[in-house]
Amino acid sequence: DIQMTQSPSSLSASVGDRVIINCRASQGIRNDVGWYQQKPGKAPKRLIYAASSLQSGVPSRFSGSGSGTEFTLTISSLQPEDFATYYCLQYNSYPRTFGQGTKVEIK
Amino acid sequence: EVQLVGSGGGLVQPGGSLRLSCGASGFTFSSFWMDWVRQAPGKGLEWVANINQDGSEKYYVDSVKGRFTISRDNAKNSLYLQMNSLRVEDSAVYYCSRELGTPWGQGTMVTVSS
Repeated sequence: DIQMTQSPSSLSASVGDRVIINCRASQGIRNDVGWYQQKPGKAPKRLIYAASSLQSGVPSRFSGSGSGTEFTLTISSLQPEDFATYYCLQYNSYPRTFGQGTKVEIK
Repeated sequence: EVQLVGSGGGLVQPGGSLRLSCGASGFTFSSFWMDWVRQAPGKGLEWVANINQDGSEKYYVDSVKGRFTISRDNAKNSLYLQMNSLRVEDSAVYYCSRELGTPWGQGTMVTVSS
């Protein structure tokens, strides 16, 4: 199985900060990565697919990059509604696997 | 509106069975792969299974192979997850999803406990 190692597991940031979340795959997965936001009690919401494509309706402050084994989600200017948990997902092979999650908290 | 609505969760004893359903509306259900993802209380997301458009291809995470069966009825715009030989560690909120994209169902809670 492909392991997705996500870091950090949590972070504290202020409104307006630039936030970077990383995911490392245990083997090369081209650009078959998605990024998800989840708020408490709610279903996940996809932000990014194919490593860098923005899901329709998602604000442009979210961006993704990477290929192969290293992937990054960037929030260019953190907004109050962005405090949530974020997950990466690889869909290159089965079983699909998620990273452990990054909880973004208010500083 | 493109929507998925999950149902069928509940409390079941270890070794028991449960069938989850997911109703689709607002899109051509038969054109898409469908997935189940679960989340144990306070834990991260775990992909469980998926199925192709006509039901001829199915994939599972190892921990549920031989116990869970994913299926679909395109005439009823519905996705199913038959869960047998349930274990305490299967307790989770179960989400259905269209190709792990959008939309996702609201989640249905499964609790396995004696």
